[in-house]
Amino acid sequence: DTGVSQDPRHKITKRGQNVTFRCDPISEHNRLYWYRQTLGQGPEFLTYFQNEAQLEKSRLLSDRFSAERPKGSFSTLEIQRTEQGDSAMYLCASPGPSQGVEQYFGPGTRLTVT
Amino acid sequence: EDQVTQSPEALRLQEGESSSLNCSYTVSGLRGLFWYRQDPGKGPEFLFTLYSAGEEKEKERLKATLTKKESFLHITAPKPEDSATYLCAVDSQAGTALIFGKGTTLSVSS
Repeated sequence: DTGVSQDPRHKITKRGQNVTFRCDPISEHNRLYWYRQTLGQGPEFLTYFQNEAQLEKSRLLSDRFSAERPKGSFSTLEIQRTEQGDSAMYLCASPGPSQGVEQYFGPGTRLTVT
Repeated sequence: EDQVTQSPEALRLQEGESSSLNCSYTVSGLRGLFWYRQDPGKGPEFLFTLYSAGEEKEKERLKATLTKKESFLHITAPKPEDSATYLCAVDSQAGTALIFGKGTTLSVSS
């Protein structure tokens, strides 16, 4: 257990529906990252928060995606008008206990769009 | 452009048969190279960080080494429970997030 939790673990939705995922990072860590992983690929960066500020967004993050981190604590990732290509594992990560460069990942949310 | 390439894509070993996984990287200023283990349906589990050429880290049957262009994950006398996908990632001075390779899927049979 890395201390990073994600909810839900699995989500099945129909194309066109909106979905929201939640990440609770290791407490008191100001950095939080979202990644997406498709089958046979390594995780790909989506977006990064320092406290409540969203400092960087990948080109993978289309305008249907939005992420927030109110009060610099938990974070949410919302996908609007889901498409089948959005089916993937969505991973959240935060630094480890030493606040070093290592990133510790949560269990992920598996999204299936039918 | 920062890039990570892992080989082989898949590796099948007999229990006790030692081998190595390769991670080649090109990066503009390496801040760290990381190895993760990922089991099916789970998030990546952190294994090692390497910072500079010549550095080595060990954990149980795993040993990670680093040169200026590549890293190796050596697996000594593997057991079936070592079966997983092993991911390599780099953190560069030019970027914010980790850049991952596609991983090597290791299967160890008894």
